[in-house]
Amino acid sequence: ELKVEQNPLFLSMQEGKNYTIYCNYSTTSDRLYWYRQDPGKSLESLFVLLSNGAVKQEGRLMASLDTKARLSTLHITAAVHDLSATYFCAVDILAGKSTFGDGTTLTVKP
Amino acid sequence: EAGVAQSPRYKIIEKRQSVAFWCNPISGHATLYWYQQILGQGPKLLIQFQNNGVVDDSQLPKDRFSAERLKGVDSTLKIQPAKLEDSAVYLCASSLDRWDATYEQYFGPGTRLTVT
Repeated sequence: ELKVEQNPLFLSMQEGKNYTIYCNYSTTSDRLYWYRQDPGKSLESLFVLLSNGAVKQEGRLMASLDTKARLSTLHITAAVHDLSATYFCAVDILAGKSTFGDGTTLTVKP
Repeated sequence: EAGVAQSPRYKIIEKRQSVAFWCNPISGHATLYWYQQILGQGPKLLIQFQNNGVVDDSQLPKDRFSAERLKGVDSTLKIQPAKLEDSAVYLCASSLDRWDATYEQYFGPGTRLTVT
């Protein structure tokens, strides 16, 4: 059974600081997704990572995938309040069948 | 382009009652997913359709949950009878096509179910 672990589960950081969220998974996969969820809202796709070494960047967020280590990271650069949300990684082992981590709730304080 | 539509947005029922949720995916998306998201957890896949056929329903509690996707477009998810532990947000998502290598999923707003 595929297990997806995120850490930390809760993260409080100051505006302007950098930090990294980690997503580890237990079974070989070369397809990983990052989503954002605001309180009471649905999930918004942030990044789709399809191969070993894949790196995607959008604004202050950068995601990478190391399939050999079964690890993805979501790096936050110079955090701003608008990035406060819960971030989920999801690993796909078969044709869209995704297993999600439990999420990292990020709070950015002024 | 219209997104994934779901209704109702909120539902409160008593245990042992039945409930149904509706989802209309993005036009042209062949694959449709139903997820259950319990508070504080990530979404859990319940069932995946490709057009009107079931691709995966291994985590669907079939003794009480059922789902259908007639004509390969919109879908309904039913719970009968509901239990307290079914209280959750039910999310519907769709992706372009099974052979789209990304399988990028687009989520609807969800239905928040409270079972009392």
